[in-house]
Amino acid sequence: DQQVKQNSPSLSVQEGRISILNCDYTNSMFDYFLWYKKYPAEGPTFLISISSIKDKNEDGRFTVFLNKSAKHLSLHIVPSQPGDSAVYFCAAKIQGAQKLVFGQGTRLTINP
Amino acid sequence: EAGVTQSPTHLIKTRGQQATLRCSPISGHTSVYWYQQALGLGLQFLLWYDEGEERNRGNFPPRFSGRQFPNYSSELNVNALELEDSALYLCASSLVGKGQGLYEQYFGPGTRLTVT
Repeated sequence: DQQVKQNSPSLSVQEGRISILNCDYTNSMFDYFLWYKKYPAEGPTFLISISSIKDKNEDGRFTVFLNKSAKHLSLHIVPSQPGDSAVYFCAAKIQGAQKLVFGQGTRLTINP
Repeated sequence: EAGVTQSPTHLIKTRGQQATLRCSPISGHTSVYWYQQALGLGLQFLLWYDEGEERNRGNFPPRFSGRQFPNYSSELNVNALELEDSALYLCASSLVGKGQGLYEQYFGPGTRLTVT
């Protein structure tokens, strides 16, 4: 049972444009959501997070939006840069637990 | 500040053997998590240790075990290795109940385990 789903395995965006990565979840008990970026042969790097009591969190070029009614979150990267090319994972934490449930990842490619 | 470190980087074992993977958390972090990323799959939660105790484990057989030492470093042991255990094993650490950002987990570079 895939509780966190990233339905787009890959996304290609032109440099300077906005990248939008999407994530859907099914478990209403998730209370915290995170985005990670992963380069090949490296561990995931934490990017940005959002609590379920908020609907938006911004950090520089990265903004995460949470729509609880739709059980959907998205990561916006503006403007996209070549160094943003990586695999992006969304993750969710269950209320009262510490483990993270990860999506399958979306490979983002920024084209010059 | 040093990040999460893992050793070895690569490990090659034969079926039936045992593998031991090691992890050192970020200084000050008391929680250590282990995840498995098999080829083509997302990260699957394995184990969570905090203050030397196993707090939670994922849906993996008992031959996956570990421990956390008094200095908060951790070891993951995989017994009776099977071919499907070949994967990238990632360790993460976090602060739990210590203040802001207590849910963010910071990952090491991983250990690539190959079972032949």
